[in-house]
Amino acid sequence: DTEVTQTPKHLVMGMTNKKSLKCEQHMGHRAMYWYKQKAKKPPELMFVYSYEKLSINESVPSRFSPECPNSSLLNLHLHALQPEDSALYLCASSQEIYSYNSPLHFGNGTRLTVT
Amino acid sequence: AQTVTQSQPEMSVQEAETVTLSCTYDTSESDYYLFWYKQPPSRQMILVIRQEAYKQQNATENRFSVNFQKAAKSFSLKISDSQLGDAAMYFCAYRSRGQAGTALIFGKGTTLSVSS
Repeated sequence: DTEVTQTPKHLVMGMTNKKSLKCEQHMGHRAMYWYKQKAKKPPELMFVYSYEKLSINESVPSRFSPECPNSSLLNLHLHALQPEDSALYLCASSQEIYSYNSPLHFGNGTRLTVT
Repeated sequence: AQTVTQSQPEMSVQEAETVTLSCTYDTSESDYYLFWYKQPPSRQMILVIRQEAYKQQNATENRFSVNFQKAAKSFSLKISDSQLGDAAMYFCAYRSRGQAGTALIFGKGTTLSVSS
């Protein structure tokens, strides 16, 4: 059983749609992450939240908008995406943002297809 | 900047055999953590094993063990008694201590296939 839950598992959206990805963890972790992963490639960091505040934005286009409503939830709002944004979006959490010995726990991901 | 290199894009092994996946990294730091993650077709990234740079003893988790050579900056993963369920993409990852260690630095991955 995964301890980080992501919904939906699959999402197909048009370039004019607005949709949201959701992530939830109940491990008491205070750092949460969004990664984007293309097929057969390593995950690429997008955003990092620490104690519900945005700590890192890896120069992600504004059509991706993260939100951390509380310490257990992380959302990624999507608007006006491009076909090249099609990818697997992974959420992860860890105890603390700078706790280097604390591994990241990943969810199962959302497979996003932009048509 | 730190980099992680996995030089084997694909590897194959037969059931019950042993396979070693290679990983090298480049860093000027002395304290850091190294991880191996497994990503099966189910997509979830699963932590396989981790190693602290200051610990000389190689980490072991059941059938998985590492050969950590700090001076050579090498961190290979050995899978013993391979099983069909070990088939996956394996990523080696590096994490710095402190503020620089916010994110994992991943290698490009090695796809492992297991045949019966």
